[in-house]
Amino acid sequence: QLQLQESGSGLVKPSQTLSLTCAVSGGSISSGGYSWSWIRQPPGKGLEWIGYIYHSGSTYYNPSLKSRVTISVDRSKNQFSLKLSSVTAADTAVYYCARGSWSLERDMTLFGLDVWGKGTTVTVSS
Amino acid sequence: QTVVTQEPSLTVSPGGTVTLTCASSTGAVTSGYYPNWFQQKPGQAPRALIYSTSNKHSWTPARFSGSLLGGKAALTLSGVQPEDEAEYYCLLYYGGAQLVFGGGTKLTVL
Repeated sequence: QLQLQESGSGLVKPSQTLSLTCAVSGGSISSGGYSWSWIRQPPGKGLEWIGYIYHSGSTYYNPSLKSRVTISVDRSKNQFSLKLSSVTAADTAVYYCARGSWSLERDMTLFGLDVWGKGTTVTVSS
Repeated sequence: QTVVTQEPSLTVSPGGTVTLTCASSTGAVTSGYYPNWFQQKPGQAPRALIYSTSNKHSWTPARFSGSLLGGKAALTLSGVQPEDEAEYYCLLYYGGAQLVFGGGTKLTVL
């Protein structure tokens, strides 16, 4: 079955760029009907959606982070990536990648974030 | 700034029934918001439970069900088990293809 695995820099200095990758196994990132999301969770707090990319390359970002976020896809490596620039301590969090699935059942369009990675901790500190 | 609101905490007895809700600052939640529900236990990644209001994943226990209730999305747990103690998050999809999580409900089984 589909699995997602986050990797990247665990410690980032303030004002630098955070870079993470989500490797997709057990399925193709190029398959239609899916979006590929990044979500984060600061220590002791709730979940925050960062953005997602479709297999077509279209991207959608959280308005509060849009000016600092870039999500891209590398189809040759079956992975997608997150870059968050100008980080501060407020960006310290566990970062998750997840798959969004669109389907049509009984003439109804359905959507769900069904598969999640285990998450990777990123700390912003000098 | 769209806000999705959940009860901060709820307590239920083992074997009991509890309903968690998910409200939108923009108005009534409908199926067009494709409500999703997730369970998260300490130190673990969230696990998907319900998608598009009431659809269960293959791994979702039968005691979990989703619905729309009084203009909100709702997650009902019937016959609560001790292992259901967790944080529960809802997720709504907004026009402009934005996703917004609720603040989470800490469910205590006591």
